[in-house]
Amino acid sequence: DTEVTQTPKHLVMGMTNKKSLKCEQHMGHRAMYWYKQKAKKPPELMFVYSYEKLSINESVPSRFSPECPNSSLLNLHLHALQPEDSALYLCASSSDRDRQPQHFGDGTRLSIL
Amino acid sequence: GENVEQHPSTLSVQEGDSAVIKCTYSDSASNYFPWYKQELGKGPQLIIDIRSNVGEKKDQRIAVTLNKTAKHFSLHITETQPEDSAVYFCAATLLSSNTGKLIFGQGTTLQVKP
Repeated sequence: DTEVTQTPKHLVMGMTNKKSLKCEQHMGHRAMYWYKQKAKKPPELMFVYSYEKLSINESVPSRFSPECPNSSLLNLHLHALQPEDSALYLCASSSDRDRQPQHFGDGTRLSIL
Repeated sequence: GENVEQHPSTLSVQEGDSAVIKCTYSDSASNYFPWYKQELGKGPQLIIDIRSNVGEKKDQRIAVTLNKTAKHFSLHITETQPEDSAVYFCAATLLSSNTGKLIFGQGTTLQVKP
């Protein structure tokens, strides 16, 4: 079992829907990350949060909106997604010192109809 | 920027044999190299990592070697078992940048045949 918990495990949504992905960790980590992973590819970094503040945005479209309400929780709000946004969305966490190693959750499998 | 090449893309071995996956990085400043194992339907799991001040690290059946001069590092799995079957990703980063950015290789699909 991973120590980073992501919900839901699967999500199917239409292009006009609004939904949110959730991530939770209780390892005391102060850095949290969102990654996108397409089939048979490595994870691609989307956002980095450090001490609940957005540290890095890898030029992600505004239809993805991250939020870090506290040190244990990370959300990714989704709106007006495109079919090409279908992917596995992974959350990870680490200590803020060095920001390594990163511990990943099992992801949310997102399908856009 | 950093680029990591990983070979082979697929690897099939018989149970009990050894498996070796190799990665080459381009930025000589990189100093942290983790290896992740990703099973079907799961997220990447850190299995071993190495920092540039160390040439080799072992953890039971898994070892990683680093050659800083040649800028390559390798994952060695001995006495492979069917449960080792998964996709393996290498990665590289510069710790002092403190960005958290990992540059991943393209992955190796390892199949261990019983």
